Amino acid sequence: EVQLVESGGGLVQPGRSLRLSCAASGFTFDDYAMHWVRQAPGKGLEWVSGISWNSGSIGYADSVKGRFTISRDNAKNSLYLQMNSLRAEDTALYYCAKDGLVGAPKFGPYYMDVWGKGTTVTVSS
Amino acid sequence: EIVLTQSPGTLSLSPGERATLSCRASQSVSSSYLAWYQQKPGQAPRLLIYGASSRATGIPDRFSGSGSGTDFTLTISRLEPEDFAVYYCQQYGSSLPFGQGTKVEIK
Repeated sequence: EVQLVESGGGLVQPGRSLRLSCAASGFTFDDYAMHWVRQAPGKGLEWVSGISWNSGSIGYADSVKGRFTISRDNAKNSLYLQMNSLRAEDTALYYCAKDGLVGAPKFGPYYMDVWGKGTTVTVSS
Repeated sequence: EIVLTQSPGTLSLSPGERATLSCRASQSVSSSYLAWYQQKPGQAPRLLIYGASSRATGIPDRFSGSGSGTDFTLTISRLEPEDFAVYYCQQYGSSLPFGQGTKVEIK
């Protein structure tokens, strides 16, 4: 079964850091780009960051550029999001998502065909 | 930066009716890279359509996508009770790839 499981969310004070993880199973992880997408309470979907299969192409939303860092470990079938200098507006449910295009040279996003259930990040003092 | 605008914001329909959702891009988008998602309350999004018109695995044929250039459409031919949800379009290669969503609610 193809599965993505996020972890690492929680309550954190403004200005602090948090690292999210996503464990992938059921597919050849290093064939696909991967993404983080977030959803603030009651709001729509916001793409946060994407990384190509070999980490050679990485992109960020303007709202997180310079504060968040995406990475992956293909040997561990894992995706990460290091979030620094957190702000109240980063409060959201963070989804890990698999890109649907095999071997894509760039991070895309092309389309996202598998999603995790998400992990909640709350930034508050 | 290409921006996707979805309309209407909310669509009030009855089961059995046809739903037509619009996604308009501020500049031309490659049809190869336009996708649609469904999201129900408390659930992760689910891919419905990719490449503007290709149904994802397991998606019923009452869902169809069409369009090119700047205008794309998701059509649900006959609404089933489980289709009442929020729908998002998404394009490739922008740092704002998602539209703002259309909520399909029961009339």
